[in-house]
Amino acid sequence: DAGVIQSPRHEVTEMGQEVTLRCKPISGHDYLFWYRQTMMRGLELLIYFNNNVPIDDSGMPEDRFSAKMPNASFSTLKIQPSEPRDSAVYFCASSPSTVNTEAFFGQGTRLTVV
Amino acid sequence: DAKTTQPTSMDCAEGRAANLPCNHSTISGNEYVYWYRQIHSQGPQYIIHGLKNNETNEMASLIITEDRKSSTLILPHATLRDTAVYYCIVTAGGTSYGKLTFGQGTILTVHP
Repeated sequence: DAGVIQSPRHEVTEMGQEVTLRCKPISGHDYLFWYRQTMMRGLELLIYFNNNVPIDDSGMPEDRFSAKMPNASFSTLKIQPSEPRDSAVYFCASSPSTVNTEAFFGQGTRLTVV
Repeated sequence: DAKTTQPTSMDCAEGRAANLPCNHSTISGNEYVYWYRQIHSQGPQYIIHGLKNNETNEMASLIITEDRKSSTLILPHATLRDTAVYYCIVTAGGTSYGKLTFGQGTILTVHP
């Protein structure tokens, strides 16, 4: 398996524009997580899904952020409208339902909002 | 999840063992200790985890004190490629173990 695949790797957009980040989890994994990393706040969990259903979105910063998982092999994180403070690296991770094993992270999407 | 405390940074000579400490004095009985690392510009990478027994895999060893209030990650023969931020995370585990609360971690620098 190629691992967790995120696209794009880099995104530069203007303030006010809509941004969509994409993630393909490892096949067979039941959990999918979206994280954000900034210098100020470090790595923080935004939302996670189990079997395509959002379980906990308490980390989503505000209504401008939304995430979907239409099927087991694809998830999106959308920011509309984007703001400069959304600039960060966004990571997607997936894990199987096997008890007490590891999470696998993608390479991240570096978002810059100007 | 219990809070963890790690030194901000550590240095290690290449080829020597790197011992990274972590305090988790409020850990509860059903919580696991996980270690991840993040090499510059990459996603976090799982290293090892344990509940109360010492654990070893191809990457590292994890030593957990008997009272479980602290642990040490050991990289037996550090290389330059081990330079990274190391995160000690305590979590209840179960099946949602990807739900991780990252602290600031320890910046390990391995020098020649």
